[in-house]
Amino acid sequence: KAGVTQTPRYLIKTRGQQVTLSCSPISGHRSVSWYQQTPGQGLQFLFEYFSETQRNKGNFPGRFSGRQFSNSRSEMNVSTLELGDSALYLCASSSTGANTEAFFGQGTRLTVV
Amino acid sequence: EDQVTQSPEALRLQEGESSSLNCSYTVSGLRGLFWYRQDPGKGPEFLFTLYSAGEEKEKERLKATLTKKESFLHITAPKPEDSATYLCAVRVTQGGSEKLVFGKGTKLTVNP
Repeated sequence: KAGVTQTPRYLIKTRGQQVTLSCSPISGHRSVSWYQQTPGQGLQFLFEYFSETQRNKGNFPGRFSGRQFSNSRSEMNVSTLELGDSALYLCASSSTGANTEAFFGQGTRLTVV
Repeated sequence: EDQVTQSPEALRLQEGESSSLNCSYTVSGLRGLFWYRQDPGKGPEFLFTLYSAGEEKEKERLKATLTKKESFLHITAPKPEDSATYLCAVRVTQGGSEKLVFGKGTKLTVNP
């Protein structure tokens, strides 16, 4: 069965721009979570969507937003990009979210210049 | 504040030299502890979930155990292909939200 697919794999953006990342979860999985990974902070939780609703949220500014579609695919948007937003953005899907294992995609490497 | 600390940060082993990685946690309400393996440039790969103290799980050369304050990932007779960063995460409830809190990982290198 196909895994979690994230597109694009790599992105280079200029400070001040906005970016949209996409995540297609494993078929049948309704929960999609987003994480930011940097060398200094490690993996940090951004938010989780379940059945098109944001169910959980981490401690990130409002410039980071997301949504989930009826087919469970999810997008994450970052507006007014800052240099510090450069990171690997990972998406994880799970069947119900709570206390079940999450399966990660390959990630999108975002570089802000 | 919920915290997950992994040690050591980096570990070099010779092929066949068994060892253990540690994950200690301070959380108000543990709702599951997860181990992942991450190779460079890739997303984390799920290994194990542990829910209660005393629980153990095994997969090939890996064995994960859980106590009330920490978890260990034991690697028996490792091979070079076991080289990776091993991540530990706990699922917690904070301010009405549930999320995974990750440690910074242990980078394991197994030399042939």
